[in-house]
Amino acid sequence: GENVEQHPSTLSVQEGDSAVIKCTYSDSASNYFPWYKQELGKRPQLIIDIRSNVGEKKDQRIAVTLNKTAKHFSLHITETQPEDSAVYFCAAKNSGGSNYKLTFGKGTLLTVNP
Amino acid sequence: DTGVSQDPRHKITKRGQNVTFRCDPISEHNRLYWYRQTLGQGPEFLTYFQNEAQLEKSRLLSDRFSAERPKGSFSTLEIQRTEQGDSAMYLCASSLLQTLIGSVSGGLFEPEAFFGQGTRLTVV
Repeated sequence: GENVEQHPSTLSVQEGDSAVIKCTYSDSASNYFPWYKQELGKRPQLIIDIRSNVGEKKDQRIAVTLNKTAKHFSLHITETQPEDSAVYFCAAKNSGGSNYKLTFGKGTLLTVNP
Repeated sequence: DTGVSQDPRHKITKRGQNVTFRCDPISEHNRLYWYRQTLGQGPEFLTYFQNEAQLEKSRLLSDRFSAERPKGSFSTLEIQRTEQGDSAMYLCASSLLQTLIGSVSGGLFEPEAFFGQGTRLTVV
C-alpha cells in the first residue's frame, strides 16, 4: 500500500519568512496530493491540492510543487503570518482508481512567531 | 452549516462499554470515509462507503468495530467493548465520485474530501 513520509515534524519560523514542508510517497499510481491544515481541536481543512498532470499550483501565499519522478511534493508558504500556525498534513491518493483512501503523513507543526 | 457533521463531539466512556458515533455527510456526496486520528499522528483510514455499500475495511478495524450507512446518507460507527487504546479522534469525511463527461473509458473523478469536526473518544 501507499506510504507517505513528511518532514519536518516541527517547524518554527519568524513572521514574514517562508516555510517549506516536504513529503514523499511510495505508490507511483498515486495521482492526487492534497494538503490539509488542522488547528487545535478542529477538523482538517483542505488548503491546496495538486494532481499529477501538473507540476506546480499556487494560491496566493501558498504553493505546492510535485516531482512525479522522484515521488515527492512540497508545500510552500510565503510571508507567513501567526494565523498560519497549525499542523499541516500532506496526503496521497489514486483518485479514480481502486486506491480510494487518502494516506496521510504524520504532520508538521508549524509555529509562526510574531 | 452544510458541511459534514458528527455527533457527539466528545464522548467519555468506561472501558468495556459500547459507543456509537454518527456522521452526516454533505447531502449529495456518495462516498463516506471514517478515519481515526491519535495525538501527533495523521488520520488513519478505517473504512469507506460508496452509497450504502461498505467497500473496504482497514486492518485497523477489529471485530469490535462496525460501521453502517443504511440508506446511503448518514453513517454510524460502533465500537463494542471499548478499550483504552480506542481513545482517539474519529473523523468522518465525504466526497462526490463523478463520472467524467465525455470519457469513453468511463473515467471517474473524485474531488477533495471534506472532513467533519470529529468525535473525540476517551476510554477511562
